[in-house]
Amino acid sequence: DGGITQSPKYLFRKEGQNVTLSCEQNLNHDAMYWYRQDPGQGLRLIYYSQIVNDFQKGDIAEGYSVSREKKESFPLTVTSAQKNPTAFYLCAARGGVFNGYTFGSGTRLTVV
Amino acid sequence: GQQLNQSPQSMFIQEGEDVSMNCTSSSIFNTWLWYKQDPGEGPVLLIALYKAGELTSNGRLTAQFGITRKDSFLNISASIPSDVGIYFCAGQGSREAAGNKLTFGGGTRVLVKP
Repeated sequence: DGGITQSPKYLFRKEGQNVTLSCEQNLNHDAMYWYRQDPGQGLRLIYYSQIVNDFQKGDIAEGYSVSREKKESFPLTVTSAQKNPTAFYLCAARGGVFNGYTFGSGTRLTVV
Repeated sequence: GQQLNQSPQSMFIQEGEDVSMNCTSSSIFNTWLWYKQDPGEGPVLLIALYKAGELTSNGRLTAQFGITRKDSFLNISASIPSDVGIYFCAGQGSREAAGNKLTFGGGTRVLVKP
């Protein structure tokens, strides 16, 4: 089945460490997105990429970094500069401006 | 970034009830989408609307694209326990389309009456 795979489902990080969240898609979609969701809150855009080797900052990019070396993959690194990284992270892909997003099942990151 | 105004923020449902929620925007949208998110999962697309005045159903769900193009409504008929979750609206206007992005509402949390 075509879809988006996020891994791991749960991730624990010590303060001061960088951690990378994986997002892989087999939908052949050009555009990919990373969102952050805090408890009881909506979705906030971190970064997005419309094509390979290109990406743009979203509304809350500080403390995060991404790469888009392959169409299928859009990993998100949460750096030590992100002061409050504990959240639920969602990856999405989109096949075109007339289509909705397809979301992955999310990664819950907890700083310990 | 711009957010859509989604209301209510939360609601309690009793099995068998009809419920509704809505989203409003200060700017015109060309596309409205409604998603549902179950706890610990990613949102899943329920209904997509592409034309002002459009009314579309998906089972017990019905959504409408407002004729002003600045609002949309989602109705759930005959609620059942599995309707619990967070419902998000999302919209796209010309600005969002240029960036190939959607703007999301803050979500409506649907809970079961104790």
